[in-house]
Amino acid sequence: DTEVTQTPKHLVMGMTNKKSLKCEQHMGHRAMYWYKQKAKKPPELMFVYSYEKLSINESVPSRFSPECPNSSLLNLHLHALQPEDSALYLCASSQGTGYMTEAFFGQGTRLTVV
Amino acid sequence: RKEVEQDPGPFNVPEGATVAFNCTYSNSASQSFFWYRQDCRKEPKLLMSVYSSGNEDGRFTAQLNRASQYISLLIRDSKLSDSATYLCVVNSYGGSQGNLIFGKGTKLSVKP
Repeated sequence: DTEVTQTPKHLVMGMTNKKSLKCEQHMGHRAMYWYKQKAKKPPELMFVYSYEKLSINESVPSRFSPECPNSSLLNLHLHALQPEDSALYLCASSQGTGYMTEAFFGQGTRLTVV
Repeated sequence: RKEVEQDPGPFNVPEGATVAFNCTYSNSASQSFFWYRQDCRKEPKLLMSVYSSGNEDGRFTAQLNRASQYISLLIRDSKLSDSATYLCVVNSYGGSQGNLIFGKGTKLSVKP
């Protein structure tokens, strides 16, 4: 079983809604990631947090807002999304961001924007 | 040139076959390389890290050729349970950046 837990597993939201995705890990990892994956495509990096600081933002639209309250938690706040934002959102964590650091993924939140 | 490129799939093989996947990467500064497998509608799961000297884990062998910027995964004695998409993953910047870049994946289907 994965040690990265994501909630909710499924989410349907309207374009005017505000919702949040949550991710938690208790492996003592200091790097956490958000990826977006569309059907039949590879995961695409959105954000990287390293030691609770945002270190990479891959030009993600501001309707996606990440937050890292502490080293175990990572949130992704969603507001005014578009139907094309429907995808599987994957959280991952790794011990650090250095050489040969392996990343472990949560089961994902399958988001549908209507 | 895309950062990480993989063999186009799908690979349809019989049980017991040996199958090899190839992957090339464009950033010569990359230092970390991995193979993940992803089952349909599931998250990617780490299969193997790829070390400079090559490494083996049971039926799986991974190799790295830095000069050619090429990574491979060999699966021997394929099982039905090996059916999945195999993703080549490269730490694009190496060092402290932690930017894992995924290839598009190669789909493997092992048939009875």
